[in-house]
Amino acid sequence: EVQLVESGGGLVQPGGSLRLSCAASGFTFSSYWMSWVRQAPGKGLEWVANIKQDGSEKYYVDSVKGRFTISRDNAKNSLYLQMNSLRAEDTAVYYCARAPAWTYFDYWGQGTLVTVSS
Amino acid sequence: SYVLTQPPSVSVAPGQTARITCGGNNIGSKSVHWYQQKPGQAPVLVVYDDSDRPSGIPERFSGSNSGNTATLTISRVEAGDEADYYCQVWDSSSDPVVFGGGTKLTVL
Repeated sequence: EVQLVESGGGLVQPGGSLRLSCAASGFTFSSYWMSWVRQAPGKGLEWVANIKQDGSEKYYVDSVKGRFTISRDNAKNSLYLQMNSLRAEDTAVYYCARAPAWTYFDYWGQGTLVTVSS
Repeated sequence: SYVLTQPPSVSVAPGQTARITCGGNNIGSKSVHWYQQKPGQAPVLVVYDDSDRPSGIPERFSGSNSGNTATLTISRVEAGDEADYYCQVWDSSSDPVVFGGGTKLTVL
């Protein structure tokens, strides 16, 4: 059974940093693109970042470029999102998702809430 | 960047057919994917590549895509289908993964 479990969310002040983690199991993690997708309270889905199987390619939504870094550790079956210079508009539930063909997401975690507020 | 337009809400009686549209410029040339999200839960992929269904998704869920409109069709709607539905495409722009704004399906 495919499982994705996010952790690391919480309350952080504007300008602060947070690192999200996603533990994957039930599939060959190193064979898949992986992604982060977020959802602000009461709003729709927004793609944040993708990373290739070996970590050699990374893509970001314009609004987080230069502030967020996606990474992965295939030996630990884990995906990460380092978030710096956080803003109020980054407040959202962050989902880890598997991307079998880069272009869509077939499995999602339950999400972790990030709240940016003073 | 590419824009996907969905109606905010669709209502349908149980047993009837619900059609949720997703509009975009020449969307027929792209692959469209659909997600179902129930309150407090993570999204679930219900249709990918316009009309394919992941394993475990009922045949009642189907998709089509042509011209400037893609459509998710839910036949014989059940109370359990009440949820938000999002369309999504990949686009060769600066923000390549694009979601529609979502449609709330209400089962009367």
